[in-house]
Amino acid sequence: ETGVTQTPRHLVMGMTNKKSLKCEQHLGHNAMYWYKQSAKKPLELMFVYSLEERVENNSVPSRFSPECPNSSHLFLHLHTLQPEDSALYLCASSRENDKFYLSSYGYTFGSGTRLTVV
Amino acid sequence: DQQVKQNSPSLSVQEGRISILNCDYTNSMFDYFLWYKKYPAEGPTFLISISSIKDKNEDGRFTVFLNKSAKHLSLHIVPSQPGDSAVYFCAATTDSNYQLIWGAGTKLIIKP
Repeated sequence: ETGVTQTPRHLVMGMTNKKSLKCEQHLGHNAMYWYKQSAKKPLELMFVYSLEERVENNSVPSRFSPECPNSSHLFLHLHTLQPEDSALYLCASSRENDKFYLSSYGYTFGSGTRLTVV
Repeated sequence: DQQVKQNSPSLSVQEGRISILNCDYTNSMFDYFLWYKKYPAEGPTFLISISSIKDKNEDGRFTVFLNKSAKHLSLHIVPSQPGDSAVYFCAATTDSNYQLIWGAGTKLIIKP
């Protein structure tokens, strides 16, 4: 148990489906992140939420839609995805603006959702 | 433009020997560097970090060395164990932006 829980662990969806990924943390963190990891590529930051407000959107296509209803929960809503969107989607959390915490503990990641778009 | 580079996609080391993982960076404003370890189908886990004001940080079998003039850091694992087989990511952050900038990762394989 890492403290950050992601569901589902695996997801297969068609290109016309709508699905959502869920992330939950009870570590008292105030920042949450969505990352995408494709094969043989660096971790790609998709979205950053700080104090439940979206502070960064790294040119992510609109078929990905994040939602952060409170500081403990983060969602990634998916619709009309493409096969190239198949990847491991990772959620992470941390304490924003806490340099000591970040340098000592970094981000806490969930186990990820392995998404396959068919 | 990748600010954090891990130029070796993979590394194979004999069990019991030293593993050395390398990372180069371009941004002289980075003030903290972190190493993460990732097993397949799991999220990365924090391993060790170093401040830019230090040149060495040690935690058990893991030591990170920082050479600021060369903009280079390395992670030493000694002795290497089978459970160390994983992908290792180098990450960096600046004082003004607490987001992490990631390298592409190096896959470490420990041979029995």
